[in-house]
Amino acid sequence: SAVISQKPSRDICQRGTSLTIQCQVDSQVTMMFWYRQQPGQSLTLIATANQGSEATYESGFVIDKFPISRPNLTFSTLTVSNMSPEDSSIYLCSVEEGIGAGGYTFGSGTRLTVV
Amino acid sequence: SQKIEQNSEALNIQEGKTATLTCNYTNYSPAYLQWYRQDPGRGPVFLLLIRENEKEKRKERLKVTFDTTLKQSLFHITASQPADSATYLCAVNDYKLSFGAGTTVTVRA
Repeated sequence: SAVISQKPSRDICQRGTSLTIQCQVDSQVTMMFWYRQQPGQSLTLIATANQGSEATYESGFVIDKFPISRPNLTFSTLTVSNMSPEDSSIYLCSVEEGIGAGGYTFGSGTRLTVV
Repeated sequence: SQKIEQNSEALNIQEGKTATLTCNYTNYSPAYLQWYRQDPGRGPVFLLLIRENEKEKRKERLKVTFDTTLKQSLFHITASQPADSATYLCAVNDYKLSFGAGTTVTVRA
């Protein structure tokens, strides 16, 4: 299965600043997915990142707040912009292991605390 | 989109017993349903996938059932061990992967 390297693993940031999270996959994948997991809650899909096109955002998430880059088939970044304490969460990237076959592989997550 | 509901309370069981977790979905039956394990501070790890035409799937000490009439999946950990202590997430694939809130299992030695 794919191996995903995600960094940073954690960060503490000042409100009003931005943080960019990186995910590197050891194989080429068409789509990469970005999730948020707020404290004590489940995972919520933020957006789907396709190489060569704009990311597709879920309801409640906008590009100005969460810009995504997908420069090639193995790499993606998610930026959390103009942060507030409400953005404190774990952010995870993910790829699908074969359509309908092997589940999804997740990065280890980025624990973001905004103060 | 689907609403996924899992046991809201944590499950505490004695080592060696079977843990049974429930996942209910609200809308149409998905083509397949997945179960994940998540440890504190880590990303979810894929465990099992079951398709709508499959009644049961097994992997080592894990068993998953899928009842499209009840709109429910059951996840069993047999002969449980303290190392099985984690949060278990149910997920359904519509056009995207939708997760339940998870059930935290603690296995006492």
